[in-house]
Amino acid sequence: EIVLTQSPGTLSLSPGERATLSCRATQSVSSNYLAWYQQKPGQAPRLLIYGASNRATGIPDRFSGSGSGTDFTLTISRLEPEDFAMYYCQQYGSSPPWTFGQGTKVEIK
Amino acid sequence: QITLKESGPTLVKPTQTLTLTCTLSGLSLSTSGVGVAWIRQPPGKALEWLALIYWDDDKRYSPSLRSRLTITKDTSRNQVVLTMTNMDPVDTATYYCARKRLGYASDIWGQGTMVTVSS
Repeated sequence: EIVLTQSPGTLSLSPGERATLSCRATQSVSSNYLAWYQQKPGQAPRLLIYGASNRATGIPDRFSGSGSGTDFTLTISRLEPEDFAMYYCQQYGSSPPWTFGQGTKVEIK
Repeated sequence: QITLKESGPTLVKPTQTLTLTCTLSGLSLSTSGVGVAWIRQPPGKALEWLALIYWDDDKRYSPSLRSRLTITKDTSRNQVVLTMTNMDPVDTATYYCARKRLGYASDIWGQGTMVTVSS
């Protein structure tokens, strides 16, 4: 089973600042099948990025994903008020379980 | 517009079997490449992937829960059913179903249904 470790656990930033979130896998993620989700309280997760670097439909271009193998990054270039939320990475390559990271909370400083 | 909606009991007793239904709208389970996954989230905790079924009836399970889970589909009703046996209070969580296509992440999620396990 691939274990995903996200860092930091909490990111305290101000609107307009840049956010950099990390997701590290215990083994290489097949075909870079790595996704990022945003989740707000009381809501279902929303897909932001798939295939490590592809934005999902309707996702603003301030969100970008990068990385390959075992190290992946989600970058939010300039934080908007609606971006303060929980973020999860998930790997969906090769065999299940298609595990999630433990999450990074982006909070207002 | 594609939507998924979970339904099932909000409260189950320990040792009972949980049955959850995911009803799809605007999406056919018979379409090649289409799959539906179940994911859960205990209160205040991270997401946990549970199971998935594809259009061709290929089924995948979380190894840690494999013995307790069964996923099936009813193409005529456009529904996916997840059963989990021997429920325990640690299984208290919001359960989500989500569309997953081959080679893609889970892109459309239901609103989730909260299940509490308590006597």
